[in-house]
Formats: sequence, C-alpha cells, structure tokens
Amino acid sequence: GAVVSQHPSRVICKSGTSVKIECRSLDFQATTMFWYRQFPKKSLMLMATSNEGSKATYEQGVEKDKFLINHASLTLSTLTVTSAHPEDSSFYICSAPETGNQPQHFGDGTRLSIL
Amino acid sequence: QKEVEQDPGPLSVPEGAIVSLNCTYSNSAFQYFMWYRQYSRKGPELLMYTYSSGNKEDGRFTAQVDKSSKYISLFIRDSQPSDSATYLCAMNLGGSNYKLTFGKGTLLTVNP
Repeated sequence: GAVVSQHPSRVICKSGTSVKIECRSLDFQATTMFWYRQFPKKSLMLMATSNEGSKATYEQGVEKDKFLINHASLTLSTLTVTSAHPEDSSFYICSAPETGNQPQHFGDGTRLSIL
Repeated sequence: QKEVEQDPGPLSVPEGAIVSLNCTYSNSAFQYFMWYRQYSRKGPELLMYTYSSGNKEDGRFTAQVDKSSKYISLFIRDSQPSDSATYLCAMNLGGSNYKLTFGKGTLLTVNP
C-alpha cells in the first residue's frame, strides 16, 4: 500500500535553531502534501498545504516565515521550523493523497522538543 | 456547531467485545469518509475509506456512511488489546479539494 515516510522521528535542539523535517511519498507521486501539528490528546491541526512547484498555502494564523515549506519534487516536501522556540515544541505530521487524490496517508510524525 | 462531532470517550471494553465508534457532521457536501487509527506517538494509520453512502467491510472492521443522516460509524468485531488506540474520523469534499476535516478522536482501550 501507499507509504509516506517522515524523517527525523525525533528532534531535540536548543532555542534559536532551525529544524528541517522531510516528508517523502515512497511508492507514489504526490503533487500535494499536507503538514499538521498535533498537541497532546488533541486532534490534528492543519498548518499548510504543500504544492509541488508552487508556493505553499498556509492556514489562518500560521506564520509563513516561521514554518517554511518547500515541495521541490513529486515525492518530497520539507517543513523548516526557523529559529525555533520552546512554544514550537510539538508533534508534526505530514500526509499525502494517493494517485487519484483519495485517501490520504500519513507519515509517522516528528516529535520536536525545543529546550 | 463544529463541522465534525466525535465523542472523545474514553471508551473501555473487554476483549472480544463489539465496538461502535461514531461521528456526525454538518456539511452535506462531504463525499469521502475515512477512519484512521492512531497509536500513541505515531502518525494516523488509514483503516477504512468510503465514498458516499454505504457499507464497507475489511476483516474485523466495518464502516458505514449514512449521508441522509450525516452520520458515519466504524464497527470493530472481536476487539483485541492491540486495537487500543485513538480512532479519528475524517472527511473531505473530494474533487480538487483534498483537505480533511477531522473529528476530535475517540480513545479506545480493549482490556484483556
């Protein structure tokens, strides 16, 4: 079945560091990928839609300059948390729809901890 | 009124029980309906996926969609301790609109 790989699974770093998270579709092409943030015991909150070859679309309240998204190929999207601070600590998850656009498959998430 | 309502539980059942999980929604334009299972500290795993109204069965899992009532269900037969997880319903408009709208998730514990 369709597989989405997310890397790294865990990041611990100091405040002020920029962190890059990769999301890859392993056996299908994805012109669109999605980035979510999840707080403990809460549902997923959509941050942005990543579009291959064009700018990402951000949800209301999400800082574009803080969360940089690049979708340079049909199988890879990256999320960079710039100058991360403790309040950016969270579980970040990506997803991608299969060929024909339904349904979406999720990566295993990245747990980001900013000290 | 939230777009998708899902009882967060927690729900605790004995091993072997039949589990019923439900979501209601308000947007009649939703076309695709999904159930995801999420273990702690992992990404959601797709369990079932249904287009429009009807039933779909896969092993111990059955998904039902009733668009006239704006109500979807997931049934788990012969529940196992390994089914203990959070179950998320999700839906979208289809076509070129891929954004998912999620329920809050139901935390299920199956006790051996």
